[in-house]
Amino acid sequence: IAGITQAPTSQILAAGRRMTLRCTQDMRHNAMYWYRQDLGLGLRLIHYSNTAGTTGKGEVPDGYSVSRANTDDFPLTLASAVPSQTSVYFCASSDSDRASFFFGPGTRLTVL
Amino acid sequence: KQEVTQIPAALSVPEGENLVLNCSFTDSAIYNLQWFRQDPGKGLTSLLLIQSSQREQTSGRLNASLDKSSGRSTLYIAASQPGDSATYLCAVSGSARQLTFGSGTQLTVLP
Repeated sequence: IAGITQAPTSQILAAGRRMTLRCTQDMRHNAMYWYRQDLGLGLRLIHYSNTAGTTGKGEVPDGYSVSRANTDDFPLTLASAVPSQTSVYFCASSDSDRASFFFGPGTRLTVL
Repeated sequence: KQEVTQIPAALSVPEGENLVLNCSFTDSAIYNLQWFRQDPGKGLTSLLLIQSSQREQTSGRLNASLDKSSGRSTLYIAASQPGDSATYLCAVSGSARQLTFGSGTQLTVLP
């Protein structure tokens, strides 16, 4: 693989279910991010990780959790999905200077 | 809190026109500014990165300028083509090196 991969590509989920969105990068970037994109609101930061073993909250962290067990993987978990979490989710990573950002193809999530 | 605004929200132009997309931000203490392109149903592709110490960057038909003191950036697209049709997003990075995005400008270039 080259760059960032996300899985699944899309998912329809019943409210109350648990869901993990997967993100893997092969660029050995230290920093990784999860954004959600909603019409009219642009991209908003959910959680981030500056390096393996550390995580932080972004602008809209409620209802989401992340872990960073290693450099390559940064999964995002919805413990109990709600309809307002219907969105397109993008994973991103950045280089050591956190200058250039690279984005995955996104996961389209619908919570019914 | 940093806020990023992009104007216009949508723009439609005939092929061959030169055009300017605008981005403004409220906090001038930025680390850098990036312009991204997003095609429908796709992820984001970085077009140009301007460090806070720079005034402009160029790549092919694209030129981005940065005026930190006034909190403004422009993306100039020369000789537009139908393949340029996409949403263009502006994002600024602050001291925490996290990106704050504008809502984007949806560009349509008509053949």
